[in-house]
Amino acid sequence: GENVEQHPSTLSVQEGDSAVIKCTYSDSASNYFPWYKQELGKRPQLIIDIRSNVGEKKDQRIAVTLNKTAKHFSLHITETQPEDSAVYFCAAINQAGTALIFGKGTTLSVSS
Amino acid sequence: DTAVSQTPKYLVTQMGNDKSIKCEQNLGHDTMYWYKQDSKKFLKIMFSYNNKELIINETVPNRFSPKSPDKAHLNLHINSLELGDSAVYFCASSQGVQGTGNTIYFGEGSWLTVV
Repeated sequence: GENVEQHPSTLSVQEGDSAVIKCTYSDSASNYFPWYKQELGKRPQLIIDIRSNVGEKKDQRIAVTLNKTAKHFSLHITETQPEDSAVYFCAAINQAGTALIFGKGTTLSVSS
Repeated sequence: DTAVSQTPKYLVTQMGNDKSIKCEQNLGHDTMYWYKQDSKKFLKIMFSYNNKELIINETVPNRFSPKSPDKAHLNLHINSLELGDSAVYFCASSQGVQGTGNTIYFGEGSWLTVV
């Protein structure tokens, strides 16, 4: 089945710095790659997603890049702020096309 | 209006008990899920229903039994609770199965503690 590896597991940055989280997936048929943000005690919420027909997508300070050949995709957060502190999850569709399989999460801490 | 709502939010119970978590979505979606998030924050798919039909049943003990009375509801019943069942259980929904990449919306989670 689909396997999603996510790195790093923890990431600490200073306010204003950039943060990059990387994921790799195993099923070359995957065509949808969302990123979810989960604040402490809250539900995971979609922040950005990318489909396999594009290589990059931006939304203000957040961008996602996709390399289908290498089977990896990354989340880039620029000008980080303390409110960006959360757990971030990447995901890919499982082989059967019936559910999202999540990476193990990255705990991002932004200090001011 | 809460899109995906689940009850109870917190549940503390003793080993061996049977408990249920209810979930309802008002988004008009036809696919619902249960995910388990353990103490290490791993989010793992447990079950998925599409139009009340079970389409995913991961390697979950048969003490866990989902029930979908209609496509807006997916409840989770757990028999003979064990300490290892302590986790946050998230209900979620999407329009259609994931093959075309439909956004999954999560409920607020149910914190289950087994003592």
